[in-house]
Amino acid sequence: EPEVTQTPSHQVTQMGQEVILRCVPISNHLYFYWYRQILGQKVEFLVSFYNNEISEKSEIFDDQFSVERPDGSNFTLKIRSTKLEDSAMYFCASSETGVGGYTFGSGTRLTVV
Amino acid sequence: GENVGLHLPTLSVQEGDNSIINCAYSNSASDYFIWYKQESGKGPQFIIDIRSNMDKRQGQRVTVLLNKTVKHLSLQIAATQPGDSAVYFCAEYDGGTSYGKLTFGQGTILTVHP
Repeated sequence: EPEVTQTPSHQVTQMGQEVILRCVPISNHLYFYWYRQILGQKVEFLVSFYNNEISEKSEIFDDQFSVERPDGSNFTLKIRSTKLEDSAMYFCASSETGVGGYTFGSGTRLTVV
Repeated sequence: GENVGLHLPTLSVQEGDNSIINCAYSNSASDYFIWYKQESGKGPQFIIDIRSNMDKRQGQRVTVLLNKTVKHLSLQIAATQPGDSAVYFCAEYDGGTSYGKLTFGQGTILTVHP
């Protein structure tokens, strides 16, 4: 069964440093998403991406965040200057149609120290 | 939806019992709903979905019920097994305003005792 692959599985970074979280969505999917989950809390939407541009973003997704699809297979989330409160699990997801059929990756655990 | 802290609702059942997990959703315009299972250290895994023009949908050992009048979803798991132990989230989607954005509920911890 096709999978969404995320790397790294765990990233530890110093406060103020830049991090890039990487995702390889399912190959025929056209819609891409980032979500995050602070420990013990619910999954929160960050951003959706379609046709090489952001289609929707949440209030969490401020100027410190950016997304990119640098080539035909990768989808990245960059946090420019990490804060302690950015510590969370970050999940990438993709969908073929944007309605249903979402597949989530296993996540990257980001720890900001 | 706001953060609800570290104390998720919990449900403990014996193996073989039926489980019912409930979810209240927030947006009356939501037209598509999904239940996800999340095991420790993993991403949300699709269980079953339902569109707003239905009030019940059945899968293998799982049934989702939708009551739009009171904005309530439930997930029924028949003959619950220890492998069903996980956190269960409902998610809603408003096709009129979003590009596939899902809004998740707070989650319920299901523990199945052998």
